[in-house]
Formats: sequence, structure tokens, C-alpha cells
Amino acid sequence: GAVVSQHPSWVICKSGTSVKIECRSLDFQATTMFWYRQFPKQSLMLMATSNEGSKATYEQGVEKDKFLINHASLTLSTLTVTSAHPEDSSFYICSALKPGTSGRALIYEQYFGPGTRLTVT
Amino acid sequence: KNEVEQSPQNLTAQEGEFITINCSYSVGISALHWLQQHPGGGIVSLFMLSSGKKKHGRLIATINIQEKHSSLHITASHPRDSAVYICAVRGGGNQFYFGTGTSLTVIP
Repeated sequence: GAVVSQHPSWVICKSGTSVKIECRSLDFQATTMFWYRQFPKQSLMLMATSNEGSKATYEQGVEKDKFLINHASLTLSTLTVTSAHPEDSSFYICSALKPGTSGRALIYEQYFGPGTRLTVT
Repeated sequence: KNEVEQSPQNLTAQEGEFITINCSYSVGISALHWLQQHPGGGIVSLFMLSSGKKKHGRLIATINIQEKHSSLHITASHPRDSAVYICAVRGGGNQFYFGTGTSLTVIP
């Protein structure tokens, strides 16, 4: 299967600092990537859709000035948590859509990164 | 009310048992995903389906579009199957809705 990596896998930062998380599709090009966050014992929550070469689309309630997303190339999307606070501590997961075909139909399969655990002290 | 409901929330099984996890959804979808999340947090996409049935090894996923229901079956369960299984649906405009997950523990 396709591979999506995230870096770093975990990070601890002080309150008020900014943290950048990278999401890379290693063996395919992804025009669309997604960013999720997950609180302990809860399901995934979609934060935003990242489209290569254009602005990200944020879900309702997600502050775009706080969670900056840049999808500068077909294999890399970054999420920057600005002025981090302890309540931003969470597990952040990205996924990337890989285009493919099923017969004549164009389909997309979603591949997930391993996640980044952010702790803000 | 969540757009995606899963049951059961927690499931403990003996090794070798047949396991079924259910997912019901209330929105129109283009695809349904079954995801597996291990304790470390990493997620693996098990199936993406929009109709019928798919099988991969000991895993079987079915979907009934008319009833807006999907099931994930695990045959001959094994302790390494212990994980959280998440049902996710993709609606129009790339919007995803996630179930809260089913925590499965398989006891040797």
C-alpha cells in the first residue's frame, strides 16, 4: 500500500510557541490531504482539507489563523499550531488521497499518517 | 445525534471467535471506510466500499446502501486484532464523518 509519513511523531513545546507538523506522501502525489485531531478515547475530528496550490478549507469551529496549513507541493502538507496552549495538546493525524482507477471509474483511496502527539506545557 | 453510530462501543472476545462490528449512518455518502487504530495511535485503512462486500484475509466488510448500514466482520479472531475500529463515511464535498469507534480486545 501507499505510505504517508508524519514528522515529528511526538513533540513537547512550551505554551506560546509555534509547532510545525509535516505530512508527506512518500510514493504517490496527493493533491488533497486532510488534517485531523483526536482527543484521548475519542474519535477523529476533521480539522481541514488541504489542497495543493490553494487555500485550505477549514471545518466549522477550527481557527484558521491558529492552525496554519500549507500544501506547497504534491507530496507535502504542513500544519503549524501557532501560539500553542495546553488545550491544543492532542494527537494530530494527516491523511492523503491517492488517485486510482477501478475499471473505468476514478477512485481515491485514503492513506493515513502515523500521527503526531503534541503536548503543550 | 451523530451522523455515524457504531456498536458496540466495547467488545471483548475469546481468541477464535467471530466478531461483528456495526455502523449506521444518516447522511448520503459516496464511500464508507473502516479504519483500524492501534494503541500507539497509528491508523490503517482496512476497507473503502460504496456497495456490496469486500474481503481481505480474515476481514469482511459489507454495506447496505438502502439501509445505510455497514458491518465489519473478523473471522477466527486473534489477540493481534485488538484495536479500535472506526467507521467513517465520506459525504458530498469530501466531508468526512466519523463514528466514535469500537474498542476490541481479543483474549488468548
